[in-house]
Amino acid sequence: EVQLVESGGGLVKPGGSLRLSCAASGFTFGSYGMSWVRLAPGKGLAWVSSIDRSSDDIYYADSVKGRFTISRDNAKNSLYLQMSSLRAEDTAVYYCARDYSGYLVFDFWGQGTQVTVS
Amino acid sequence: NFMLTQPHSVSESPGKTVTISCTGSSGSFAGNYVQWYQQRPGSAPTTVISENDQRPSGVPDRFSGSIDYSSNSASLTISGLKTEDEADYYCQSYDRASHGGVFGGGTKLTVL
Repeated sequence: EVQLVESGGGLVKPGGSLRLSCAASGFTFGSYGMSWVRLAPGKGLAWVSSIDRSSDDIYYADSVKGRFTISRDNAKNSLYLQMSSLRAEDTAVYYCARDYSGYLVFDFWGQGTQVTVS
Repeated sequence: NFMLTQPHSVSESPGKTVTISCTGSSGSFAGNYVQWYQQRPGSAPTTVISENDQRPSGVPDRFSGSIDYSSNSASLTISGLKTEDEADYYCQSYDRASHGGVFGGGTKLTVL
């Protein structure tokens, strides 16, 4: 069974940093691209960042470029999102999602972790 | 930038059929797949349609997806509506120019 479990969320002050993790199980993690997607209060889903299976291709939404860093450790079956210079508008539930096609076709999602910047 | 537009909300009665539209802002969907995700309040998104019209395992056949390339739009149709179908539904595609994901604004489905 595919499982994605996020952790690392919490309350942080503006300008602070936080590192999110996503632990994957039930599939060959290193064979899939992964992404982070967030849901801010009162808003819709928004793509944040993606990383291909070998960490060669990494992309970010303009709203987080230069502040967030996505990475992965295939040996540990884990995806990460290092967030710095956090702003109030980064407050959201952050989900990791598996991309099975390489073109951001998400088939499995984690349960999410709450990040509050205040 | 590539954008996807959805109606803010739709409502329909149990047992009826509803269709949610998703219109691309420019260019065409040709070459890019459209996905549909269901998100109930307080829960994670789940995929109900992938690659335009493919239903993942476990998704009832009451859910179907389609693409109209002439109008650059995608649609999610849910037939035989149940109260459990009440949720937010998002369309999503891929922007080849930015290599980023693009989501529609979401449609709140009310079944009453």
